[in-house]
Amino acid sequence: GAGVSQSPSNKVTEKGKDVELRCDPISGHTALYWYRQSLGQGLEFLIYFQGNSAPDKSGLPSDRFSAERTGGSVSTLTIQRTQQEDSAVYLCASSSQGPLPNYGYTFGSGTRLTVV
Amino acid sequence: GDSVTQMEGPVTLSEEAFLTINCTYTATGYPSLFWYVQYPGEGLQLLLKATKADDKGSNKGFEATYRKETTSFHLEKGSVQVSDSAVYFCAFPKGAGSYQLTFGKGTKLSVIP
Repeated sequence: GAGVSQSPSNKVTEKGKDVELRCDPISGHTALYWYRQSLGQGLEFLIYFQGNSAPDKSGLPSDRFSAERTGGSVSTLTIQRTQQEDSAVYLCASSSQGPLPNYGYTFGSGTRLTVV
Repeated sequence: GDSVTQMEGPVTLSEEAFLTINCTYTATGYPSLFWYVQYPGEGLQLLLKATKADDKGSNKGFEATYRKETTSFHLEKGSVQVSDSAVYFCAFPKGAGSYQLTFGKGTKLSVIP
């Protein structure tokens, strides 16, 4: 597609429920990244995919968080048993330049998750 | 560890005013430096970058110069417009060859007519 597409744009869920967030990167972009943008916390790195593999999951905050990528394209970030502290904007980015961000990422508009 | 410090906002300016948003970084070596911009309701966009010391990145009237001596990358624009209202983020790769970007907390700019 023309840009990085994320869905849903907004999600309100009850504490304890599971949620899935979807990212459609730019076609042909091999590298995909998830970041979280929390109030007062700035942007935090969550996970990096190169193709379907995730060489670095070090930013995932707990084992309630997982992500996968299929076909070297769409990625899904899953949060199980959501907690209020999971409320944030989840941003996806992709890059065609391999793992190095020197050329900059292209970000999606994000999914705003609110846990009530 | 690696970190980015941006001036705290929000910053409110009148149209045609001069803008400076300060950014300093702590990093190993001399990484590439970036400014990203997030317009209301949109994702982050790369605004400009500089890959080595003394480089000047520029785009849409914005400029930033990579200052190795002061480990700074301040964003400037000579005459802001209402359409520049957004949140601005300074960032750099977390380590040599790293794919992770370390971001500042963002500076919200509001430009009033």
